[in-house]
Amino acid sequence: NAGVTQTPKFQVLKTGQSMTLQCAQDMNHEYMSWYRQDPGMGLRLIHYSVGAGITDQGEVPNGYNVSRSTTEDFPLRLLSAAPSQTSVYFCASSYGQIPSYEQYFGPGTRLTVT
Amino acid sequence: GQNIDQPTEMTATEGAIVQINCTYQTSGFNGLFWYQQHAGEAPTFLSYNVLDGLEEKGRFSSFLSRSKGYSYLLLKELQMKDSASYLCAVPHDSGGYQKVTFGTGTKLQVIP
Repeated sequence: NAGVTQTPKFQVLKTGQSMTLQCAQDMNHEYMSWYRQDPGMGLRLIHYSVGAGITDQGEVPNGYNVSRSTTEDFPLRLLSAAPSQTSVYFCASSYGQIPSYEQYFGPGTRLTVT
Repeated sequence: GQNIDQPTEMTATEGAIVQINCTYQTSGFNGLFWYQQHAGEAPTFLSYNVLDGLEEKGRFSSFLSRSKGYSYLLLKELQMKDSASYLCAVPHDSGGYQKVTFGTGTKLQVIP
């Protein structure tokens, strides 16, 4: 199993550009989520999904969209990039709904917006 | 809401024991996670406590006191590879689904 994969690993965007961060898992996990990690802020939840076709907002959803058309994939779209979105983005999945199951994290995407 | 407090940084000596504390406030307790995160890498799961007491996993142990809103991670026989950030996290109900709030993490430096 590849686990949780994320692409790209690094990305530089100009303000106003849009892009999609890809996330995929091959563990048949129902629960998937996106976090951003900033120095001194810890991991903050952006959006999450409890199954195909079901998504909801986390703590910091503004400026981001998600969809979940399949169990495997959970892409994160930046609509119009801003310097405040410079961060490390982690995708995570778990077998079932937290709290009973730990999350498995992807390797992260390091995004810089200039 | 949820509030999690951890020390920002700690330093310990190789071979020693270190205790990393976490205090939390949450509505509706559903357990507490500890994750390890090496610099530039993804977090990885260490432990999950839902009942009071100490749970041991090799060199790592995690303790929980629900009445005090307190947990700690105990690392024994420290090795250089234990230098990492340790994240405390609590799941909670929100809108019918479970979400996880993470603390800012404790950066542990192990020195020779």
